[in-house]
Amino acid sequence: DIQMTQSPSSLSASVGDRVTITCRASQSISNYLTWYQQKPGKAPKLLISAASNLQSGVPSRFSGSASGTDFFLTITSLQPEDVATYYCQQSHSTPYTFGQGTKLEIK
Amino acid sequence: EVQLLESGGGLVQPGGSLTLSCAASGFSFSTYAMSWVRQAPGKGLEWVSIVSANGAATSYADSVKGRFTVSRDNSNNMLYLQLNSLRDEDTAIYYCANALGSCSGGSCHRWFGPWGQGTLVTVSS
Repeated sequence: DIQMTQSPSSLSASVGDRVTITCRASQSISNYLTWYQQKPGKAPKLLISAASNLQSGVPSRFSGSASGTDFFLTITSLQPEDVATYYCQQSHSTPYTFGQGTKLEIK
Repeated sequence: EVQLLESGGGLVQPGGSLTLSCAASGFSFSTYAMSWVRQAPGKGLEWVSIVSANGAATSYADSVKGRFTVSRDNSNNMLYLQLNSLRDEDTAIYYCANALGSCSGGSCHRWFGPWGQGTLVTVSS
């Protein structure tokens, strides 16, 4: 199985800060990497597919990028409504595996 | 608007069975693969199973293989997950979701969205 490792596991930042979350795959997955946002008590929401394809309706302050087996979710100007846990998922092959999550809080 | 509404969760004893349902509306259900993903209390996301658009192909996580069965009724826009031989570690919120992406050359590349609100399954004596 492909292992997905996210870092950090938690993060506290100020409104307006630039925030980056990293996800590393245990083997090559091309660009088959997806990011989700899960707010407390809610279902996950699809943010970015294919490493950098922003879903319709997602604010442009969110972006995704990749370098080899390392993938990055960046929020350019953190907003209070971005408080959530963020998960990456490899969409390369079954079993589709998720990272352990990054809990993002406002400082 | 796409809507996915899960039901059927509840409290069940270890070794017991349960059937989860997911009612879909607002999209062409029969043209999409569908998946189940679960989340144990306070934990991360775990992919459980997937079924192709026509129901002919299925795949499961090793943790549930042989115990869970996914199926669908395209005439009624319904997705199901039959849970048998339940264990304590199956306690989780179970979400249904559209499985986006495609298959080629025998490999399928899938991501999930949108998701239903989830239904809680608690396995306990």
